[in-house]
Amino acid sequence: GAVVSQHPSRVICKSGTSVKIECRSLDFQATTMFWYRQFPKQSLMLMATSNEGSKATYEQGVEKDKFLINHASLTLSTLTVTSAHPEDSSFYICSARAISWSGGVAGELFFGEGSRLTVL
Amino acid sequence: AQSVAQPEDQVNVAEGNPLTVKCTYSVSGNPYLFWYVQYPNRGLQFLLKYITGDNLVKGSYGFEAEFNKSQTSFHLKKPSALVSDSALYFCAVRDQSGGYNKLIFGAGTRLAVHP
Repeated sequence: GAVVSQHPSRVICKSGTSVKIECRSLDFQATTMFWYRQFPKQSLMLMATSNEGSKATYEQGVEKDKFLINHASLTLSTLTVTSAHPEDSSFYICSARAISWSGGVAGELFFGEGSRLTVL
Repeated sequence: AQSVAQPEDQVNVAEGNPLTVKCTYSVSGNPYLFWYVQYPNRGLQFLLKYITGDNLVKGSYGFEAEFNKSQTSFHLKKPSALVSDSALYFCAVRDQSGGYNKLIFGAGTRLAVHP
């Protein structure tokens, strides 16, 4: 399948600082990327839908000013956790929907490897 | 709203035995159903999907799933389990509300295959 790269894979930060997580589609273009949050031993909760060139669509209960999403190009979306606190510690996973790619049909969804954020 | 339910938190199977991981769905319209697997501290890997056509869907690593409309189920199966199949399995349904075709995941089922 196509590759989605997330960086960093692990990050530890102090409370009150901001952390940026990048999600890149390496061999395909994606107009739409999704950001999920996963607590230990729990399912993935959709946080927001990121669209290239426009504002992200946030799920109910997700703070827009807390979790800033920027979809700068067809291959890059970033999630910035602003003024992070210990309760923001989680595993964040992005997925990207392919416009088209050599290995399959348009519309396929691919997931990154996740980024584990620990806020001290 | 679209949703899926995975009634089992954990499934334990002996290596070589068949395995089943259960999933039921609730959708309006035609269901688009998926199974993903997650290994510790990793992202999700796609196993298989049902869009239309044959009710028995074959996927990666020898897994298959059976779509049952009358029981609104989409159980994941494998004839002979391997220890390396031990992981967290998620059933998901496509939600097309808002026009973005997002995936809604079940709670996940941890599969433990014992030697």
